[in-house]
Amino acid sequence: KQEVTQIPAALSVPEGENLVLNCSFTDSAIYNLQWFRQDPGKGLTSLLLIQSSQREQTSGRLNASLDKSSGRSTLYIAASQPGDSATYLCAVPDYKLSFGAGTTVTVRA
Amino acid sequence: NAGVMQNPRHLVRRRGQEARLRCSPMKGHSHVYWYRQLPEEGLKFMVYLQKENIIDESGMPKERFSAEFPKEGPSILRIQQVVRGDSAAYFCASSPSGEGETQYFGPGTRLLVL
Repeated sequence: KQEVTQIPAALSVPEGENLVLNCSFTDSAIYNLQWFRQDPGKGLTSLLLIQSSQREQTSGRLNASLDKSSGRSTLYIAASQPGDSATYLCAVPDYKLSFGAGTTVTVRA
Repeated sequence: NAGVMQNPRHLVRRRGQEARLRCSPMKGHSHVYWYRQLPEEGLKFMVYLQKENIIDESGMPKERFSAEFPKEGPSILRIQQVVRGDSAAYFCASSPSGEGETQYFGPGTRLLVL
């Protein structure tokens, strides 16, 4: 059974600082890994999907890396802004997604 | 190009009533997944359906909960005789096919049981 862990559980940084969010998973036989953003009381927005054959994926200020052998993924957010405040979730599928508990980020203006 | 739609967005029920949650997948998607997010907890898989078939319901409570995805119309998650512990956000996701595909999430239905 896949177990997904996210560290830290919460993070507060001043605006402009880079963010580093960590995700680890126990079963390295994954198809891909997906990062989501969830705003309070809202649904999930897909940020990045890294295929198992990829080592990283980039979209704007977001960069996600994947190391299957060590069971880790890291989401980097450059030059954080107050609008980046949200909970960030990583998830790995067989078909159903196994989610981490999330990292709640607060970017202080 | 509508995304995944869920309704209602908010649902209030008294204990013992039935709750029906609906999910319309994205156009062209034939795979639907339901997840539940309990207060202060992470998202947990409930059930995976394709048209007219339940593929995996391992995450669904054995009693009172059922799901369907008929040939025509939305997927329905049905909770009979709701209890306070059923209060949660229920999310639906869809994908064009099964394994390894990006899942696109709806906005969720927030169920409150009084």
